[in-house]
Amino acid sequence: ILNVEQSPQSLHVQEGDSTNFTCSFPSSNFYALHWYRWETAKSPEALFVMTLNGDEKKKGRISATLNTKEGYSYLYIKGSQPEDSATYLCAFKGNQGGKLIFGQGTELSVKP
Amino acid sequence: SAVISQKPSRDICQRGTSLTIQCQVDSQVTMMFWYRQQPGQSLTLIATANQGSEATYESGFVIDKFPISRPNLTFSTLTVSNMSPEDSSIYLCSVGIGLGGDTQYFGPGTRLTVL
Repeated sequence: ILNVEQSPQSLHVQEGDSTNFTCSFPSSNFYALHWYRWETAKSPEALFVMTLNGDEKKKGRISATLNTKEGYSYLYIKGSQPEDSATYLCAFKGNQGGKLIFGQGTELSVKP
Repeated sequence: SAVISQKPSRDICQRGTSLTIQCQVDSQVTMMFWYRQQPGQSLTLIATANQGSEATYESGFVIDKFPISRPNLTFSTLTVSNMSPEDSSIYLCSVGIGLGGDTQYFGPGTRLTVL
C-alpha cells in the first residue's frame, strides 16, 4: 500500500505570514508529484506537476520544491492572503499513466 | 485545459435509494475518472470510465455498487446504489489530458449526504 502523508492537517495564520506544508511519498518508483489547491464548492485547481529531483516551481506567491530521493515536497506561500484559504492536496504518481494517490490535504485558513 | 461540470452539486438522500451523478466535459477526452472523498479521508480513485467498454474499478469498489456509464468522450455518469450513511462523501469526476493523462482536471464535486 502506497502512503502519501501531508502535514500539518490544518494551519491557521494571519494575513501577511509566510507558511509551508509538507508532502511525503514513497521514494521508489517515482514518476510525478502533483499539487492542487481546493477551495470549498469549487474544483480542485492544479498548481504544479513536478517530475525531477531538485525541481523548484513558482506561481506568484506560491512555490514548491521536490526531493525524490528522500520522498518529500514542500509547498511555500509567501505573504499569505485571505484568498489563499483552501485545502492544499498533494498526489503521487508512480508511473506514466498510473493513478494519482492523494494525501489527506492541509487545510489553510488565513485571517485578515 | 478542460472545463468540467457536475450535476447535482449536492444532495441529501435516504438510506437504500440510489443517486446518479452526471459529469460533462467541454471537450473530447479519452481518460475520465471518478473519485470520492469521505469525511477526513484522502481523495480516492473509484474507477476509470472507459468509453465503449466497462469501467475499470479500483480495489474495494465494485460495479454493482458504483455502476458507471461512458456513452461518449464528453460525458459520464456514476450511480451510487443502495446507499448507506457510509456513502456520504464528495464525489468528483476528473479528466486526464496530455501524455499518459498526466495533467488532471477536476469537476466541482457532488456533495452527498445519506441519512
